[in-house]
Amino acid sequence: GAVVSQHPSWVICKSGTSVKIECRSLDFQATTMFWYRQFPKQSLMLMATSNEGSKATYEQGVEKDKFLINHASLTLSTLTVTSAHPEDSSFYICSAPRQGPTDTQYFGPGTRLTVL
Amino acid sequence: AQSVSQHNHHVILSEAASLELGCNYSYGGTVNLFWYVQYPGQHLQLLLKYFSGDPLVKGIKGFEAEFIKSKFSFNLRKPSVQWSDTAEYFCAVKGSNNDMRFGAGTRLTVKP
Repeated sequence: GAVVSQHPSWVICKSGTSVKIECRSLDFQATTMFWYRQFPKQSLMLMATSNEGSKATYEQGVEKDKFLINHASLTLSTLTVTSAHPEDSSFYICSAPRQGPTDTQYFGPGTRLTVL
Repeated sequence: AQSVSQHNHHVILSEAASLELGCNYSYGGTVNLFWYVQYPGQHLQLLLKYFSGDPLVKGIKGFEAEFIKSKFSFNLRKPSVQWSDTAEYFCAVKGSNNDMRFGAGTRLTVKP
């Protein structure tokens, strides 16, 4: 079946540094990928839509200069948290829809970011 | 815009009890609805989905959900829960941009 991977699975960084998270679709091409954030004991909130070959679209309240998204290829999207602060600590999850009759969306395992 | 709401934040059941988790959606047009489960420390897994057709949808692990258009509901059910069903359950609706809009989640604790 389709698999979406994320790397790294967890990362700890110092305040002020930048962190890059990768999301890959392993056996299908995804022109669109989605980035979600999940705070402890809360639901997933859509942050942005990553579009291959064009700019990402961000949800209201999400700073595009802080959360840089690059959809470099049909199988890879990256999320870079720039100048990270402790309040950015969260669980970041990506997903990729597999276009077709079933229109199933596959989620990555998530990346836990802890900013000290 | 499409959205879903889950009213049960935490449900505690004993093994073999029946389960029903509520989910209501807001959009009156065509909706694609999903239930996901997140076991402790694991990623989201799709339990079942509804696009059209039979409103009673059967998913994995003995779960089912019924789409009731008149009630804007898509409740998740299981006749007899097991300890291994302890997890967080999320109802979701597909947005117009093909993204997923999640409910707040319901934490299910099954006591052995």
